[in-house]
Amino acid sequence: DTAVSQTPKYLVTQMGNDKSIKCEQNLGHDTMYWYKQDSKKFLKIMFSYNNKELIINETVPNRFSPKSPDKAHLNLHINSLELGDSAVYFCASSQKGGGTYNEQFFGPGTRLTVL
Amino acid sequence: RKEVEQDPGPFNVPEGATVAFNCTYSNSASQSFFWYRQDCRKEPKLLMSVYSSGNEDGRFTAQLNRASQYISLLIRDSKLSDSATYLCVVNGWASGTYKYIFGTGTRLKVLA
Repeated sequence: DTAVSQTPKYLVTQMGNDKSIKCEQNLGHDTMYWYKQDSKKFLKIMFSYNNKELIINETVPNRFSPKSPDKAHLNLHINSLELGDSAVYFCASSQKGGGTYNEQFFGPGTRLTVL
Repeated sequence: RKEVEQDPGPFNVPEGATVAFNCTYSNSASQSFFWYRQDCRKEPKLLMSVYSSGNEDGRFTAQLNRASQYISLLIRDSKLSDSATYLCVVNGWASGTYKYIFGTGTRLKVLA
């Protein structure tokens, strides 16, 4: 049973295209996240949702739009892809957003390559 | 100053050695602390939480010093399988919400 799953695992696309990444968690967690890990391996928060409500929106270009249809799903749509968007995108979930010791569980990642 | 800072390494150590990593954080309102492990081309996974009194899990010992705002991880009797990147993670209140902030990671290579 996969706790946090993402699709697709690999995504290779041309500049200017629009693509989506999907994430699902079966842990019953309230909070879900999108992280970007660049070539220098730095893991940076992009968005966080708590029970379908956006609570963290870091300085991410408007081309990135998250959507949470229910608290078990958090999708990421990217418009007009650019070379600099090439990275590994991780979805994660935790019981709560913080304030106590909540473990984050990560999906396997989506490796996006923009040509 | 970065919110969470770690020495990127790599730390190259022989099997059986003891190795220690440190991590400093800038937000004094941070409330929970963790070490995550990330293997090459894999997702991060929780190694251990770090509690105020310090805690141990087998060969791994974590310490927290709130006054100096740093966290440490000690690995005793290193195994080849310990080779990975170790991420320091801090959760605290910032800009109106709780956030998990990741360090850049410390890369460990255990050599045969």
